[in-house]
Amino acid sequence: DTAVSQTPKYLVTQMGNDKSIKCEQNLGHDTMYWYKQDSKKFLKIMFSYNNKELIINETVPNRFSPKSPDKAHLNLHINSLELGDSAVYFCASSQRIGGGTDTQYFGPGTRLTVL
Amino acid sequence: AQSVTQPDIHITVSEGASLELRCNYSYGATPYLFWYVQSPGQGLQLLLKYFSGDTLVQGIKGFEAEFKRSQSSFNLRKPSVHWSDAAEYFCAVGAGGGNKLTFGTGTQLKVEL
Repeated sequence: DTAVSQTPKYLVTQMGNDKSIKCEQNLGHDTMYWYKQDSKKFLKIMFSYNNKELIINETVPNRFSPKSPDKAHLNLHINSLELGDSAVYFCASSQRIGGGTDTQYFGPGTRLTVL
Repeated sequence: AQSVTQPDIHITVSEGASLELRCNYSYGATPYLFWYVQSPGQGLQLLLKYFSGDTLVQGIKGFEAEFKRSQSSFNLRKPSVHWSDAAEYFCAVGAGGGNKLTFGTGTQLKVEL
């Protein structure tokens, strides 16, 4: 059973389109995250949600809107896609919000290519 | 704000040789430190973590890491590398509100047979 799953695995789209990436975790965790990995493999947090409440928003353009319908799901919607949005997006989850100590479990990633 | 430096972008070792990957962190309080591995096309898998206590921590796949506060380092080691260890390795520090992880830029490990 996959602990943290993401769909789709690959996403190719044109500039200006709107797209969504879905994430689900079956670990019973309270906290979920989105990270962006750029072409140089640098990983940076974008958002975190704890029990459906937004906790971290790391100066991400407001074209990116996370939505958490329940604590097992955290989806990422991106409006008006730009070339610079091309990256691998990782979803992660952890048991709880805990001062940096909780282990985060990562999904397999979604490779977004904007043409 | 916390930061992590991984000085080596690429490392190549022969199979069976020992390995050490360097990680230096900057954080004002007690750091929570992690090593993750990313195989090609895969997500990140946790190798080990340090929160407190014994400064030498054991992880999966035969890896270990030693926390040295005086050097602000958390280097990853393995006594004998296997070809399947070829991957990208990320050091990270966890801190503060929101459980934010700050990653280093990664070290790509190649294993020569």
